[in-house]
Amino acid sequence: GDSVTQMEGPVTLSEEAFLTINCTYTATGYPSLFWYVQYPGEGLQLLLKATKADDKGSNKGFEATYRKETTSFHLEKGSVQVSDSAVYFCALSDVGFGNEKLTFGTGTRLTIIP
Amino acid sequence: NAGVTQTPKFRILKIGQSMTLQCAQDMNHNYMYWYRQDPGMGLKLIYYSVGAGITDKGEVPNGYNVSRSTTEDFPLRLELAAPSQTSVYFCASSREITGGGNEQFFGPGTRLTVL
Repeated sequence: GDSVTQMEGPVTLSEEAFLTINCTYTATGYPSLFWYVQYPGEGLQLLLKATKADDKGSNKGFEATYRKETTSFHLEKGSVQVSDSAVYFCALSDVGFGNEKLTFGTGTRLTIIP
Repeated sequence: NAGVTQTPKFRILKIGQSMTLQCAQDMNHNYMYWYRQDPGMGLKLIYYSVGAGITDKGEVPNGYNVSRSTTEDFPLRLELAAPSQTSVYFCASSREITGGGNEQFFGPGTRLTVL
């Protein structure tokens, strides 16, 4: 079945550091890939997405590229801010049977210190 | 637009009690979902609905029931609560099917403890 493997956390960085959170996936079809972010005390919200190979999703300075050859969708940001502190979830939704749902990774807690 | 709303925010139940978690959305979305989030784990799908009157099981449906009598509301019923149901519950909705890359919108969650 489908699965998502995310970089283990928690991750602590200083402000303005470079961020990478690794995400790899297993899927039977041609999935859409997502990064969701959960700020403290809130529900998840979509950060960015990509729906086909080599697509790059971007939002709020974050980027991720859909790499079919390595089945990866790593999240990057060049200079993090304190306000980026949150839990980040990689997720996929496969095309075809069962595509009503998202399959989530375990989440990576990111803390940015001033 | 309130988006997806959930009530209550917190609840403590005793073993064997029952309760209903409420979820409503005002975006006229056809698709609605219930997830549970356990510590250190990703979200797991409990039930979903593709429209009023139509529901189906997700990955972890045991111990739960749902109904969808209107487009707006999608309540989750826990019968005979057990400690294994201690979790944070999220309701979500989407306009179209997620497999096409469509976004799901999440509520703020309900934190449930069963003692």
